[in-house]
Amino acid sequence: EAGVTQFPSHSVIEKGQTVTLRCDPISGHDNLYWYRRVMGKEIKFLLHFVKESKQDESGMPNNRFLAERTGGTYSTLKVQPAELEDSGVYFCASSQFTSGGALREQFFGPGTRLTVL
Amino acid sequence: GQQVMQIPQYQHVQEGEDFTTYCNSSTTLSNIQWYKQRPGGHPVFLIQLVKSGEVKKQKRLTFQFGEAKKNSSLHITATQTTDVGTYFCAGKVSGGSNYKLTFGKGTLLTVNP
Repeated sequence: EAGVTQFPSHSVIEKGQTVTLRCDPISGHDNLYWYRRVMGKEIKFLLHFVKESKQDESGMPNNRFLAERTGGTYSTLKVQPAELEDSGVYFCASSQFTSGGALREQFFGPGTRLTVL
Repeated sequence: GQQVMQIPQYQHVQEGEDFTTYCNSSTTLSNIQWYKQRPGGHPVFLIQLVKSGEVKKQKRLTFQFGEAKKNSSLHITATQTTDVGTYFCAGKVSGGSNYKLTFGKGTLLTVNP
């Protein structure tokens, strides 16, 4: 079974440019999460999809970040315009559906390392 | 907001020594999960604890969830070089249907052979 995949693995852009990150979750996983880790800091929650619906986007830093999951399969995270502080590793994770707040293990992708110059 | 504190930030040990990382939450947790991230890799799920006072073992790894469900620990007995990596705890706040995990900053373990 294929794991979570992310593209690109690295992206170097200049301040003010736009970048779109893509995540393909494990097939059949309804839950999809985006996280960001800035070097030396915690893995910070950005948002959570259940299928195509945004369940929780409380971690999105500001309106320069836009996540979508049309059709409930792969997801994209667009940063427009990028700022220096957006640099970090963006992880996507997926998990099977559960009801009533029960958590399952999350399977992480390899991450996209974003550098904004 | 909820905070999860994890200590120590770094730990260097000689191979064969034991290692422990501690996790404390400012709020009561319903679940706590532990992940390991190898250098250059991505977080990999190790275990989930749900019950107050729960203890689970995986070979040389022992995981505990505190009685008050606000703290947790991971203990590795007789470390090996393959244990190198960053260990993260991640907690879910009690109540509601929120699926959000709050991660600690992680403990980077290095092992001297």
